[in-house]
Amino acid sequence: EVQLVQSGAEVKKPGESLKISCKGSGYSFTSYWIGWVRQMPGKGLEWMGIIYPGDSDTRYSPSFQGQVTISADKSISTAYLQWSSLKASDTAMYYCVRHRDQLLDYFDYWGQGTLVTVSS
Amino acid sequence: EIVLTQSPATLSLSPGERATLSCRASQSVSSYLAWYQQKPGQAPRLLIYDASNRATGIPARFSGSGSGTDFTLTISSLEPEDFAVYYCQQRSNWPQTFGPGTKVDIK
Repeated sequence: EVQLVQSGAEVKKPGESLKISCKGSGYSFTSYWIGWVRQMPGKGLEWMGIIYPGDSDTRYSPSFQGQVTISADKSISTAYLQWSSLKASDTAMYYCVRHRDQLLDYFDYWGQGTLVTVSS
Repeated sequence: EIVLTQSPATLSLSPGERATLSCRASQSVSSYLAWYQQKPGQAPRLLIYDASNRATGIPARFSGSGSGTDFTLTISSLEPEDFAVYYCQQRSNWPQTFGPGTKVDIK
């Protein structure tokens, strides 16, 4: 069974750093693109960026370029999303998603989400 | 960036009724459009891909149609578990984008 299991909720202060994780299982982790999707409170879905764990090829949506860093450790089948300096506007639910097959694709599996709260 | 517009924002219907949701793209996305369902407190799930193909395990009451810039998700007869928010998403152009969602709630 394909699963994406994300790390737990985080409460941080503005200016702090953060790295959240997404562990894949039940499939060949290195053969599928993994993306991240943001959902701000009460709002819609925004695609942030993507990584191919097989070779660490990483791409970002223009809206998120320079704002976050996506990485992966294929030895432990885990992808990461990190911030170097959080802002209150980063408060959101973050989902990792598996792309079905291609760089531009649909998302056939979703993690359970990681809620990030940034507040002073 | 391709902008997706969904209408209506909210659709109030009763169980057993037919639901028709619309998604319009700012430029042609061919048939590269998907629909997702999101229930409160849950991650979205893929319902329809490439405009008209049901994803694995999705009931036949869900159907999708359209191409180019205009797409429709139809739920033939609403079940209690279908009341949720529905998003469309395109994979035609970088970056892939979502529509703002349509909430289907109980009348």
